[in-house]
Amino acid sequence: GIQVEQSPPDLILQEGANSTLRCNFSDSVNNLQWFHQNPWGQLINLFYIPSGTKQNGRLSATTVATERYSLLYISSSQTTDSGVYFCAVEHAGRRALTFGSGTRLQVQP
Amino acid sequence: NAGVTQTPKFQVLKTGQSMTLQCAQDMNHNSMYWYRQDPGMGLRLIYYSASEGTTDKGEVPNGYNVSRLNKREFSLRLESAAPSQTSVYFCASSEVGQGYFGPGTRLTVT
Repeated sequence: GIQVEQSPPDLILQEGANSTLRCNFSDSVNNLQWFHQNPWGQLINLFYIPSGTKQNGRLSATTVATERYSLLYISSSQTTDSGVYFCAVEHAGRRALTFGSGTRLQVQP
Repeated sequence: NAGVTQTPKFQVLKTGQSMTLQCAQDMNHNSMYWYRQDPGMGLRLIYYSASEGTTDKGEVPNGYNVSRLNKREFSLRLESAAPSQTSVYFCASSEVGQGYFGPGTRLTVT
């Protein structure tokens, strides 16, 4: 099956700092999503981004499908950004998402 | 809209007991999914249903059964619970690529 690798596995930031999270995948995909799992366990969809660039407030994402990677940018981080960020992909033949192991982000005041 | 709802939120079972996790969505989505999340790991797909009346196995289906009761509801059954099934279970639904997750069920099997 498709492999999804996220880096870094852990990240500690001071409030106000910027960060870039990376997701590499091993095969072509027709769906890529970024999720945030908050400290209470709730999974929130951030972006549906199989290709191109999108922005939503302080967050933006870019997927370069031909090179099989996606990036999530967090600018001016806040303590409420803490949690785990997951990349998930869907490829041909499996109509469901395969998740990476996540990046655990801790934003300190 | 309630989105995706799951019951129960917490459950403790003894080895060998059975139970059914319930999931419902009110977004009129065709596709529904069950995932499990073990500590420090990503989510792994147990079963999914691309439409009412169809179900397919995911990565880790052993020990589980599912029923797509109608378009809204997708249940997950553990026939004989084992300690290895201790996990957090998430139900999700999707349409046109974007996924929505329920709040999860924390299951402990002793």
